[in-house]
Amino acid sequence: DSGVTQTPKHLITATGQRVTLRCSPRSGDLSVYWYQQSLDQGLQFLIQYYNGEERAKGNILERFSAQQFPDLHSELNLSSLELGDSALYFCASSTHPSAASGGAAYEQYFGPGTRLTVT
Amino acid sequence: GNSVTQMEGPVTLSEEAFLTINCTYTATGYPSLFWYVQYPGEGLQLLLKATKADDKGSNKGFEATYRKETTSFHLEKGSVQVSDSAVYFCALDSGTYKYIFGTGTRLKVLA
Repeated sequence: DSGVTQTPKHLITATGQRVTLRCSPRSGDLSVYWYQQSLDQGLQFLIQYYNGEERAKGNILERFSAQQFPDLHSELNLSSLELGDSALYFCASSTHPSAASGGAAYEQYFGPGTRLTVT
Repeated sequence: GNSVTQMEGPVTLSEEAFLTINCTYTATGYPSLFWYVQYPGEGLQLLLKATKADDKGSNKGFEATYRKETTSFHLEKGSVQVSDSAVYFCALDSGTYKYIFGTGTRLKVLA
């Protein structure tokens, strides 16, 4: 058990709908990362927050948004869903944001994921 | 930009065979390098890491050495077990606030 929790575990919804995925980081971790894992595209970094502030953006669509709340939990909102959004969505947390050059390597702890199926 | 390239899978081996999964990277500066493992139905978990050139990360019989001259971080294990069947991801952290993961290599070990 990594200490990172994600809810729900599974989500089935229809095209055009909006869903919210929730992540609670490990106790003491300030950084939260969101990833999308699909069969054909591997693991794609979406976005990172550190202590409530957005720190980095990856291949996140404009239909997707996220935030990190004062209690450090994070939510990923996916709207106007399309069939191609069906994937596993992982949240990860770490103590610090990714390390500066030559510094310590901060491990990311992954949650069990939310499997989203859009029909 | 920064990138990670992993060998394509799946890799199928017999139990007790030697494993190598290749990983090469492109990055400016001195990134930290990682191998993560994903067992079926689970999230990723860190397997090993290295933070500077010539560092060797090791865990559970797996090893990888940070080779700056060849920009590589190949994963090796001397004798694989059926329980090692999983997807292995190479990743780098270049200090730009995001990890970069490789595409993953599926390993299947047959009894």
